[in-house]
Amino acid sequence: GAGVSQSPRYKVAKRGQDVALRCDPISGHVSLFWYQQALGQGPEFLTYFQNEAQLDKSGLPSDRFFAERPEGSVSTLKIQRTQQEDSAVYLCASSQQTGASSYEQYFGPGTRLTVT
Amino acid sequence: DAKTTQPTSMDCAEGRAANLPCNHSTISGNEYVYWYRQIHSQGPQYIIHGLKNNETNEMASLIITEDRKSSTLILPHATLRDTAVYYCIVTSGTYKYIFGTGTRLKVLA
Repeated sequence: GAGVSQSPRYKVAKRGQDVALRCDPISGHVSLFWYQQALGQGPEFLTYFQNEAQLDKSGLPSDRFFAERPEGSVSTLKIQRTQQEDSAVYLCASSQQTGASSYEQYFGPGTRLTVT
Repeated sequence: DAKTTQPTSMDCAEGRAANLPCNHSTISGNEYVYWYRQIHSQGPQYIIHGLKNNETNEMASLIITEDRKSSTLILPHATLRDTAVYYCIVTSGTYKYIFGTGTRLKVLA
């Protein structure tokens, strides 16, 4: 079946521009996560949705970062007034809530954002 | 901070078993050990997870020590396509992952 998809795969933005990154999770997956991965580092948690509810946004680095998932499916991560330090790969992951006590996250290929 | 410690890098000969260690000495009773790998320019890929017992699937085996303070991921017959960064993650399972820097495994021809 289809996995998690993200678009665009690559985005170049001039400093100060706003960007929007899209994530299409696996159909039926309740939970959705955004991570940021800097070059040479492991992914770092940004935010978490359960259906349309954003239950944790503790990892968002500043108020320039905003995420939404209005219908509990597709999610968008928006970055306003981009800065060079925002350059990174942004990963989206989804997981299925089965009632079991553990379940894996499925990751998309990521969006590589370069701010010039 | 990540709850796990892994070696920065390892080499393995093609066709041999790759044994990747992970230390998680502060793991609590309800936390699982998950392993993912990330091949260059791709998102992390799930490999295996376990709670107490050893686990095996078509990709790998996971050996967890009796005190649960460490584990080893075993790729039984490494191929060149197994070259990747391997992450060991400890989590209660339903929530965010905290990745460390992982182990960069290089499989040599």
